[in-house]
Amino acid sequence: SAVISQKPSRDICQRGTSLTIQCQVDSQVTMMFWYRQQPGQSLTLIATANQGSEATYESGFVIDKFPISRPNLTFSTLTVSNMSPEDSSIYLCSVNTGGGWETQYFGPGTRLLVL
Amino acid sequence: GQQLNQSPQSMFIQEGEDVSMNCTSSSIFNTWLWYKQEPGEGPVLLIALYKAGELTSNGRLTAQFGITRKDSFLNISASIPSDVGIYFCAGSGTASKLTFGTGTRLQVTL
Repeated sequence: SAVISQKPSRDICQRGTSLTIQCQVDSQVTMMFWYRQQPGQSLTLIATANQGSEATYESGFVIDKFPISRPNLTFSTLTVSNMSPEDSSIYLCSVNTGGGWETQYFGPGTRLLVL
Repeated sequence: GQQLNQSPQSMFIQEGEDVSMNCTSSSIFNTWLWYKQEPGEGPVLLIALYKAGELTSNGRLTAQFGITRKDSFLNISASIPSDVGIYFCAGSGTASKLTFGTGTRLQVTL
């Protein structure tokens, strides 16, 4: 298994500002993912952040809005840039420790409210 | 993009009752997964299904991979208060990523 922590756990931000969310894993993992969960909605994959390569973004998400860093095998950051109220969501970090879906784990999420 | 439709959207049941929820897709999936999410937490995997027609149990939970590969269902027997949460189905096709369902919110009353 994997223990994932995220910082901050929640935040309230003003529109136009940026927030960087940190994800820390207790073991080295190659595959790391960032998801967004809008209020009362399902999870949507933002990007895949594998160490040693540029993040791969899903349709509808761009690097300028959601820059991602992956400096090592236990850490990643997601920045939500130039925020608007529509960015109010839960942002979840996820890792896969073994390559199969049974070895995919999710962090507790960062609850973001943009005013 | 792909979307998984889950029903019902929410359920209010009494402790001890059985629960059934399902998930349908317009696309074929090779893997079906069921997750539970509790408040303030990320989703936790309950059951993984890898073969059409497969029926798998995990304690009081039973899930099936539909024969058409476009649907799956999850049953919870003899519900208890700690079953409260949001249940998500998720599917994986040829691409190595998960598509999540819309979720079923379960409330259990004593």
